[in-house]
Amino acid sequence: KQEVTQIPAALSVPEGENLVLNCSFTDSAIYNLQWFRQDPGKGLTSLLLIQSSQREQTSGRLNASLDKSSGRSTLYIAASQPGDSATYLCALMDSSYKLIFGSGTRLLVRP
Amino acid sequence: DGGITQSPKYLFRKEGQNVTLSCEQNLNHDAMYWYRQDPGQGLRLIYYSQIVNDFQKGDIAEGYSVSREKKESFPLTVTSAQKNPTAFYLCASSFPGGGMVEQFFGPGTRLTVL
Repeated sequence: KQEVTQIPAALSVPEGENLVLNCSFTDSAIYNLQWFRQDPGKGLTSLLLIQSSQREQTSGRLNASLDKSSGRSTLYIAASQPGDSATYLCALMDSSYKLIFGSGTRLLVRP
Repeated sequence: DGGITQSPKYLFRKEGQNVTLSCEQNLNHDAMYWYRQDPGQGLRLIYYSQIVNDFQKGDIAEGYSVSREKKESFPLTVTSAQKNPTAFYLCASSFPGGGMVEQFFGPGTRLTVL
């Protein structure tokens, strides 16, 4: 059974720092992997989608990588800002086209 | 404005009562999904529908029911059989295309059982 783990569960950094969020999974048979942002009490906003044939995707200050062989994805946030404070969720689409979610990393960027 | 709307934003239910959560989308998506989120956890799939008049159970369908009579709408009913319904419920939609497409999410409904 596919399991998705996100470490750390919470992270607090000073403004301006570059940071990496980690997502690991147990079964490499995936179609894609998405990174989402969730603000408190709100829905999910899609940040980046990496197809299984791709190694990385970039959008502005965000860069997501995917290594299926090692069962890992990372989300790199450059020059973090207080507005980046949120929970970041990774989700992968498994072989039955279902999204399997990690439990998220709560990020706090201190001014 | 294209998007997914969910209503109500907050919903309170008494023990033994059925309630229905609304999800509407104007993105012309064929596929729609319902997820449940508990505090500090990721989302779990309740039901999904790839096309009108068809839907499948997800991982935690017990105590829930859905209908898909229109492409734009996918209401979720939380029945009295659901033993622990207090949670945050999220609706999503996507184009068909299997593993090539991304899902887009609504703002969510927070259900509390009194």
